[in-house]
Amino acid sequence: GNSVTQMEGPVTLSEEAFLTINCTYTATGYPSLFWYVQYPGEGLQLLLKATKADDKGSNKGFEATYRKETTSFHLEKGSVQVSDSAVYFCALGYGQNFVFGPGTRLSVLP
Amino acid sequence: ETGVTQTPRHLVMGMTNKKSLKCEQHLGHNAMYWYKQSAKKPLELMFVYSLEERVENNSVPSRFSPECPNSSHLFLHLHTLQPEDSALYLCASSQVRGQDQISPLHFGNGTRLTVT
Repeated sequence: GNSVTQMEGPVTLSEEAFLTINCTYTATGYPSLFWYVQYPGEGLQLLLKATKADDKGSNKGFEATYRKETTSFHLEKGSVQVSDSAVYFCALGYGQNFVFGPGTRLSVLP
Repeated sequence: ETGVTQTPRHLVMGMTNKKSLKCEQHLGHNAMYWYKQSAKKPLELMFVYSLEERVENNSVPSRFSPECPNSSHLFLHLHTLQPEDSALYLCASSQVRGQDQISPLHFGNGTRLTVT
């Protein structure tokens, strides 16, 4: 079956530190891959996406590359801000079917 | 207006009450979803309405009953809930074009449900 695994966290970083949140997936076929972010008291917001192998999604300084050979979609940001504190979810999707990882809580300290 | 609107934002209900959660999407999408988000658990898909068909997670108890009168509106009817049903209930929508053409889910801000 399809599944998504991501590092559990919580991850605590100082402002301007480099961020990596690992995500690996198991899937039949070629799903699209997503990163979502959830701020306190809100729903999930799409952060970035990639639809095929070697695609790089990027938004607000965050990047992730669809690596078919390692079945990975790691999220990176070169310099985090306090406002990036949130829970980050990796997900895969086919058509109407989506599978989410458990989420990684990020806390950025000033 | 925001893309996906959920009401109410917060709901407290007793185990014998009947209540409904409402979701409305303004994105022109053809699929709508209910998800349950509990503390320390993965996001759980409860129901999907896609292209006028309903797909459900067979593990969802019958005390949860969805209704989708049209492609823009989705309800979740609740009755005789249990305290363990307390959670954040998220509505989402997407545009389904086929297995190889996927659009992302767009979520509402959720209804925080507390069952006493």
